Amino acid sequence: DSGVTQTPKHLITATGQRVTLRCSPRSGDLSVYWYQQSLDQGLQFLIQYYNGEERAKGNILERFSAQQFPDLHSELNLSSLELGDSALYFCASSPDMPGNTIYFGEGSWLTVV
Amino acid sequence: GDSVTQMEGPVTLSEEAFLTINCTYTATGYPSLFWYVQYPGEGLQLLLKATKADDKGSNKGFEATYRKETTSFHLEKGSVQVSDSAVYFCALSSPNTGNQFYFGTGTSLTVIP
Repeated sequence: DSGVTQTPKHLITATGQRVTLRCSPRSGDLSVYWYQQSLDQGLQFLIQYYNGEERAKGNILERFSAQQFPDLHSELNLSSLELGDSALYFCASSPDMPGNTIYFGEGSWLTVV
Repeated sequence: GDSVTQMEGPVTLSEEAFLTINCTYTATGYPSLFWYVQYPGEGLQLLLKATKADDKGSNKGFEATYRKETTSFHLEKGSVQVSDSAVYFCALSSPNTGNQFYFGTGTSLTVIP
């Protein structure tokens, strides 16, 4: 158990819909990362938050957004869903210090039908 | 910018064979280097890491040495088991880039009895 909790574990939704994925980081970790993993694209970095502020942005679509709340949990919002958004979405957290490890949750499987 | 390049898979080995998965990196400064493993249906978990040149990370029979002169961090195991079948990711993190994590594309390993 990494200590990073993601919900829901699985969800199926229709094209055009909106979903929210939730992440609780490890206790004490200030940084939260979101990744997308699909068969054809591999592991793609989406966005990072540090202590409530956006720290870095990767290959995140404009239809996607994220935020980190004062209690450090984070949400990834995916809207106007397309079939190609079907993927495994990982949240990860770290203390954000040099040499520190990043810890992954078990992921949220999203299937868009 | 910082990046990691790892050998493409998939790799198929017989049980007890020797494993090498190559990883090279590009980074400014002195990054920390990591190997993560993803077992089927699970999230990524840390396998081993090294935080400075010439350090050797080791865990579960796997080893990797941080070679600054060749900018490499190759993963090795002397005798693989069926239970080692997984996807292996090389990664780096550098304080020069705000402790961002950069992952390779992953190498799928299948060990057959």
